[in-house]
Amino acid sequence: EAQVTQNPRYLITVTGKKLTVTCSQNMNHEYMSWYRQDPGLGLRQIYYSMNVEVTDKGDVPEGYKVSRKEKRNFPLILESPSPNQTSLYFCASSWTGVETQYFGPGTRLLVL
Amino acid sequence: DQQVKQNSPSLSVQEGRISILNCDYTNSMFDYFLWYKKYPAEGPTFLISISSIKDKNEDGRFTVFLNKSAKHLSLHIVPSQPGDSAVYFCAASGGYSTLTFGKGTMLLVSP
Repeated sequence: EAQVTQNPRYLITVTGKKLTVTCSQNMNHEYMSWYRQDPGLGLRQIYYSMNVEVTDKGDVPEGYKVSRKEKRNFPLILESPSPNQTSLYFCASSWTGVETQYFGPGTRLLVL
Repeated sequence: DQQVKQNSPSLSVQEGRISILNCDYTNSMFDYFLWYKKYPAEGPTFLISISSIKDKNEDGRFTVFLNKSAKHLSLHIVPSQPGDSAVYFCAASGGYSTLTFGKGTMLLVSP
């Protein structure tokens, strides 16, 4: 089954404790991206990757890191999480760009 | 500054009638537009898209209209069904690498 998976689905952590949210896709897509969804703000793009070893900033990259060492995986790293990073995070993938992206189920993060 | 605006937070429609969801954008560099649907506790799912070289695109019950001069697009759902009840996000791109979303419109279709 074609899908984008994210882990964990729910996470509660404390300020400053490094964490990684994993994202994996099995569709051999070249493009992957991370978004956050906040009440009243819609979805905002954090980082995206056009291909392996190619990543770039979206609209809200501050406080986040990404890496793309393999085509299928695109982890989101929070080196020192803060409460304003409490949000619902979505990973997405597509063949070449923002057309027809497939979204993962989301990761709900609470930073205390 | 919000570049993609969905000014109606919610819309209620009766089953069988037309639903019209609106979206405005300010960035003239946007040349590709998409609509996504989102149910609670799920990721968004792609619905329909339109390139700036077109003014209309249809897919079954869903039609997207683009008015470039007014920087406005709309999504028409005909006929509306209760299963269409969801949050609808308008999104825009310039260059196919980044995507800017609106805040969403919650559609409720009542039987």
